[in-house]
Parts: sequence; C-alpha cells; structure tokens
Amino acid sequence: RKEVEQDPGPFNVPEGATVAFNCTYSNSASQSFFWYRQDCRKEPKLLMSVYSSGNEDGRFTAQLNRASQYISLLIRDSKLSDSATYLCVVNRHNQGGKLIFGQGTELSVKP
Amino acid sequence: DAGVIQSPRHEVTEMGQEVTLRCKPISGHDYLFWYRQTMMRGLELLIYFNNNVPIDDSGMPEDRFSAKMPNASFSTLKIQPSEPRDSAVYFCASSFLGPDTEAFFGQGTRLTVV
Repeated sequence: RKEVEQDPGPFNVPEGATVAFNCTYSNSASQSFFWYRQDCRKEPKLLMSVYSSGNEDGRFTAQLNRASQYISLLIRDSKLSDSATYLCVVNRHNQGGKLIFGQGTELSVKP
Repeated sequence: DAGVIQSPRHEVTEMGQEVTLRCKPISGHDYLFWYRQTMMRGLELLIYFNNNVPIDDSGMPEDRFSAKMPNASFSTLKIQPSEPRDSAVYFCASSFLGPDTEAFFGQGTRLTVV
C-alpha cells in the first residue's frame, strides 16, 4: 500500500464547476501537509499548505482530518487554467523533512 | 534567485552508458531531494541530503544509482550502467526546513535510455 493515496482521475469538469479531491495517508507520524500542482511536462509547484483548522486561498479550500488521516482540496468556480495534476504531499518531521508525494489527481476543465 | 537549476534538460543515451545529472539548489536551502517521475510510479523520492549529508537513500533503486553532494551548492545523481527502465524525468528539489516546508523543484532532466 502506498503511503499517500489519491484517486488518479482524470476528473473532467465544465468551467465553473466545483470539484473535490481526496487523499489519504497511512503514517500517523505525518505532521505537515500540502497540495502541489503540476502542469503538463513541468515541475511540481506548491499550491497551498494544509492546516488542521482548514484553510482557504481564493477559490481553493484545503481540509485536514488527522483522526481519519484524510486530506481534501476543493476548487470552486473552476477555470480552464486549473487544468493540471494535483499532488497530495505529507512531510514527516521525525524523518527530517522527508516529503512523500501521492500519485496525483488529474483535472481537466472544459469550456 | 534563479531557483533550482538542473542540467541537462534532456539526455538521450545508450544502454550501458554512464549518465550524470546535475543540480544547483537555491542558496541557503539546507535540504536537497532527488526524485524520479514516471507515468507508472508517479513521483518517487530517491535520496535526500541535509547540510550535504545523505539522510535517506532507501529510495535508490539499486547499486547502479549513486548521488553525491560535495558542497552546499551542487549535487549529482549518477547512473552507471544505465538501462532502458531508467528512462524517466528526474527532479531535484531544495527546501529550508521549517514547520511548513515548501520544496522548490528544478525543471527536471528528461532521461531516455535506448
């Protein structure tokens, strides 16, 4: 079983739709959580960190449920430019900052 | 800052040849990571360094792979001998450890072994 698991998709949605991605992690020692975005044939880039209380950045909302070891990302009013692969990432501080990436969820926003 | 710089951007080599990938991290960052990305396996951590010291190389596939970080501004990943199954995009990333550690990635090296 992979340490970080995501639904690979693809998610095909129309512009303006709301879409949600889920991610589960298996190691309870995980302490920091992130969503990265990767465009086709590009490097991954940080989208947002995920805090226990939940956090929002414009159209993007991230949630963390430590008890269930579950992370989510919600995108509202999706744009064509949101088309990308979204990577769930965990960081285990007890292993000195080792970042573990999920396989990624592919999103395609259509006009 | 120019960001994480990797070279070469593309590499095509014949099976059995030695391949060396290079990385210059962001100045001041104390962590450096080497990842490999394929369609089948996604983004896999190969090895990471803290203050130039290898901390975890459990992701290195086999003895054909080796990585070094002789100083804070340079790292190499070497494959000798290369095999077709090593074909992938290899990313280098660097970060500065904190409660919310963001890793900055280079543009990657696309390796094709024929």
